[in-house]
Amino acid sequence: DTGVSQDPRHKITKRGQNVTFRCDPISEHNRLYWYRQTLGQGPEFLTYFQNEAQLEKSRLLSDRFSAERPKGSFSTLEIQRTEQGDSAMYLCASSWQANTGELFFGEGSRLTVL
Amino acid sequence: RKEVEQDPGPFNVPEGATVAFNCTYSNSASQSFFWYRQDCRKEPKLLMSVYSSGNEDGRFTAQLNRASQYISLLIRDSKLSDSATYLCVVRGSGGTSYGKLTFGQGTILTVHP
Repeated sequence: DTGVSQDPRHKITKRGQNVTFRCDPISEHNRLYWYRQTLGQGPEFLTYFQNEAQLEKSRLLSDRFSAERPKGSFSTLEIQRTEQGDSAMYLCASSWQANTGELFFGEGSRLTVL
Repeated sequence: RKEVEQDPGPFNVPEGATVAFNCTYSNSASQSFFWYRQDCRKEPKLLMSVYSSGNEDGRFTAQLNRASQYISLLIRDSKLSDSATYLCVVRGSGGTSYGKLTFGQGTILTVHP
């Protein structure tokens, strides 16, 4: 499968714990995106990378969230000191810079904070 | 005000009906617009881009009104398989924001026999 892959697919954690999600984009894509989606809402932009550079980060994102893409390939999204409000589906997507807006999404990582 | 606003619906229509969805965006400098489709418990996928002159793709027609900052999607001859959530998407206007795609809340469509 050469699509976007995310790991883990499901994560249940207790409030206050740290969690990390990994995303492997389509190999030739140089842009990588993180979104968060809750029930009944559209995907909410968190951040995006072009190669290893983080170009934009949502102002809604607290300092507890951090994302990296160290070698311009896979990316990680870490949430520190999780809160119940962090429970959501975390979606990763990738695209080719020259593309006019087609993002290829992974199946997502579902986080449940107890 | 949200950057991209949609009527969440749900829209319940019979097979064969014509249905239209609307979307408004707040940043008048936005240049690129798209409709995505998301099936239940699946990831979003690009349905079509929206061009200034309007464009069609089979039974789907997208329109853009820059003066009103309004985007629409028309589906003709609805099929059961069209049941999904339709997401309006706007690209950022410039600089590093150009790569940022902002999604609306989504409009739920259910097509029944």
